[in-house]
Amino acid sequence: AQSVTQLGSHVSVSEGALVLLRCNYSSSVPPYLFWYVQYPNQGLQLLLKYTSAATLVKGINGFEAEFKKSETSFHLTKPSAHMSDAAEYFCAVSEGNTPLVFGKGTRLSVIA
Amino acid sequence: DSGVTQTPKHLITATGQRVTLRCSPRSGDLSVYWYQQSLDQGLQFLIQYYNGEERAKGNILERFSAQQFPDLHSELNLSSLELGDSALYFCASSAEGYEQYFGPGTRLTVT
Repeated sequence: AQSVTQLGSHVSVSEGALVLLRCNYSSSVPPYLFWYVQYPNQGLQLLLKYTSAATLVKGINGFEAEFKKSETSFHLTKPSAHMSDAAEYFCAVSEGNTPLVFGKGTRLSVIA
Repeated sequence: DSGVTQTPKHLITATGQRVTLRCSPRSGDLSVYWYQQSLDQGLQFLIQYYNGEERAKGNILERFSAQQFPDLHSELNLSSLELGDSALYFCASSAEGYEQYFGPGTRLTVT
């Protein structure tokens, strides 16, 4: 069975600081990994995806994530946080065209 | 805008009632997924349809059912509603690729 663990239910950073949101996964098959962002009262927006191509994946809004098989990790980073980045972030895993298994989410706060 | 539409946006109903949530996938997407988001359970997969056929089932209660129609839109039916069914219900669609695109959700409040 697949699972996702997001370390830290709430992360707070200063504007302009590095954003690091942690995600570890468990999968018995080569995983497909995703990060989604949810702004208040909105749906989930796909930030980026890993589908067995390059291990460093670039997404929208300046975010990127690195797939590390040895560490079973897929951490999300952004060099410089903006106020507009404040939202809930979800890491998810699937086997392909299958249902997503989500982590519990990390709420990112950005302090001016 | 993901291209996935869901109606209604908000739904308030009483315990014991039945409601239908509707989802239209992105043009050309054959797969539709339904998820429930609640504070205590997080995001949980309910059910998947592919081109009209049920493909996978998750933590969907027997009181809940879904179907996908020939035009590929999908409906999620929730019956004998309980207070605990109050949640955000999302629909997502995908093509033959692996990413899923989510609709804006339907917020269900059961009173």
